[in-house]
Amino acid sequence: SQTIHQWPATLVQPVGSPLSLECTVEGTSNPNLYWYRQAAGRGLQLLFYSVGIGQISSEVPQNLSASRPQDRQFILSSKKLLLSDSGFYLCAWVSRESGTEAFFGQGTRLTVV
Amino acid sequence: GENVEQHPSTLSVQEGDSAVIKCTYSDSASNYFPWYKQELGKRPQLIIDIRSNVGEKKDQRIAVTLNKTAKHFSLHITETQPEDSAVYFCAASKGGFKTIFGAGTRLFVKA
Repeated sequence: SQTIHQWPATLVQPVGSPLSLECTVEGTSNPNLYWYRQAAGRGLQLLFYSVGIGQISSEVPQNLSASRPQDRQFILSSKKLLLSDSGFYLCAWVSRESGTEAFFGQGTRLTVV
Repeated sequence: GENVEQHPSTLSVQEGDSAVIKCTYSDSASNYFPWYKQELGKRPQLIIDIRSNVGEKKDQRIAVTLNKTAKHFSLHITETQPEDSAVYFCAASKGGFKTIFGAGTRLFVKA
């Protein structure tokens, strides 16, 4: 069966520090991969999506970047965090074959202090 | 760009009453419309979905309707229970390529 792993679950980082969140998917190949951010009490904002290795599309201009070094690995990064980067980050994958349900990772709660 | 609008942002109902959440989408090429439920501090999980070739789908107390012409779709929850309290998200996608979510509806079911 397919599973998605996202870590860490919680992170507290000082302003100006770097960030690296990792997401891996097991049990499927060629998934579409996504990073979403959810501010407190708000909706799911699409940050990045990827349809293949090295293929990244950015939805909003921001302080973050994403990379897909392997088929089932998706990384969210920042060189210098801002206070406004705080939020709940969710990785998700969608099967390219079915093109239907999005499966989410457990999420990372990032607090920038 | 693509956009999904969701209303209301907050909904409070009495246990046993019905709840309706409405969404509109902008991209007429969207063909898949899922609904997700997110409990506090947890990941969103799919509760029901509908494809563009279907007008209505029902699963026990939950139903979804789709009006392609108007680009509207709605979630209906009947006989609400306290455990239905959560945040509900609608979404639209084209074959799962880029799933765009609504802003969410926080549903409170009062016992």
